[in-house]
Amino acid sequence: GAVVSQHPSWVICKSGTSVKIECRSLDFQATTMFWYRQFPKQSLMLMATSNEGSKATYEQGVEKDKFLINHASLTLSTLTVTSAHPEDSSFYICSASRLPGLAGATGTQYFGPGTRLLVL
Amino acid sequence: AQKITQTQPGMFVQEKEAVTLDCTYDTSDPSYGLFWYKQPSSGEMIFLIYQGSYDQQNATEGRYSLNFQKARKSANLVISASQLGDSAMYFCAMRGPKDGGYQKVTFGTGTKLQVIP
Repeated sequence: GAVVSQHPSWVICKSGTSVKIECRSLDFQATTMFWYRQFPKQSLMLMATSNEGSKATYEQGVEKDKFLINHASLTLSTLTVTSAHPEDSSFYICSASRLPGLAGATGTQYFGPGTRLLVL
Repeated sequence: AQKITQTQPGMFVQEKEAVTLDCTYDTSDPSYGLFWYKQPSSGEMIFLIYQGSYDQQNATEGRYSLNFQKARKSANLVISASQLGDSAMYFCAMRGPKDGGYQKVTFGTGTKLQVIP
């Protein structure tokens, strides 16, 4: 299988606090992890891409100081929303893809269940 | 630049019938991959099927098949024998070439499928 977990699934916090979301690949090593944001009834918007042990690559318009990404190991990446505000309320979802070079590697991204963030 | 287009915002299908969800893409790179994901109301993105640009045959996974027409740049998803549990949003996506070491995936806007009993 290719199972990705994400924790927490729900967060409600006060404006100004920081929120950390964890993304783990449970049964495979993920060379690359991706963080997306999704607004209601819209498609996924890529926020950033990270490789283990290196700095994340952020998409245009995404504040790197606002959305801190740490990719500590081949199975764990974290997204920290710093000083969250109501406009940061959204559905955040991570994905992971397997190590390249493996037989049959297609670059398929396997997604976590997502985290719903509500900032009051 | 890559682009994925899903022109059907919503579709209805009778239970046990087959349904085709449309997807067209645009890319100038000869090497790419096409994916379909299902997103139920719970929010998780479930990988359904993959088609590589060099694959000679259409991909199939159980009740899902991908109608890959390379010349037309289309990658329609066919779901056979629809079930109530198939009601969800369906996203078509394309993996492009490596860009700075990463292979990004571009998602379409999605099609909401509702299966009617």
